[in-house]
Amino acid sequence: AQSVTQLDSQVPVFEEAPVELRCNYSSSVSVYLFWYVQYPNQGLQLLLKYLSGSTLVKGINGFEAEFNKSQTSFHLRKPSVHISDTAEYFCAVTEGDDKIIFGKGTRLHILP
Amino acid sequence: DAGVIQSPRHEVTEMGQEVTLRCKPISGHDYLFWYRQTMMRGLELLIYFNNNVPIDDSGMPEDRFSAKMPNASFSTLKIQPSEPRDSAVYFCASSWGARRVSTDTQYFGPGTRLTVL
Repeated sequence: AQSVTQLDSQVPVFEEAPVELRCNYSSSVSVYLFWYVQYPNQGLQLLLKYLSGSTLVKGINGFEAEFNKSQTSFHLRKPSVHISDTAEYFCAVTEGDDKIIFGKGTRLHILP
Repeated sequence: DAGVIQSPRHEVTEMGQEVTLRCKPISGHDYLFWYRQTMMRGLELLIYFNNNVPIDDSGMPEDRFSAKMPNASFSTLKIQPSEPRDSAVYFCASSWGARRVSTDTQYFGPGTRLTVL
């Protein structure tokens, strides 16, 4: 069965600095990978997803993620963060026709 | 499009009372999901429906929880009787279902914050 691990529960970053949010998964077969974002007091919304093809996936708001099969990782990156990026970020995985499994989330704190 | 609509946004009740949470999915979406979010356990899938039929309810914590989808535009999640440990934010989400449930984007509602005293 698949699972997903987000290694950092909180990540503080200065405004305009780059950020990487880490995500590792475990699965025995081909997987589909997602990053969702949850702004304060809102539901989750999709940032990006990897289904197949290019391992570098670009999403909304300047975020991108790279699928690395050998390291079973799908880290999320942004070259320069803004105060509006303050949110909780969830990595998620599915395989086959199975339901989605979410990680525990990483809170991104943007420091002025 | 109004997005996924949930009501109420906040619910405070006393232990032992019945609680009903409501969800209206995005029109045309075939899948509907109910999630629970807590600090301790994160985001958990409780149950999901396809074309109004429950497909997987393995995440429903116990018999006190039940969910229905009487038509394509409405679903309820009921807790009876409620307990303090049920306090959480409950999210409803829907997806298109054009391809597969595993690859489609899910659209989340704003959630219902439930507090059981």
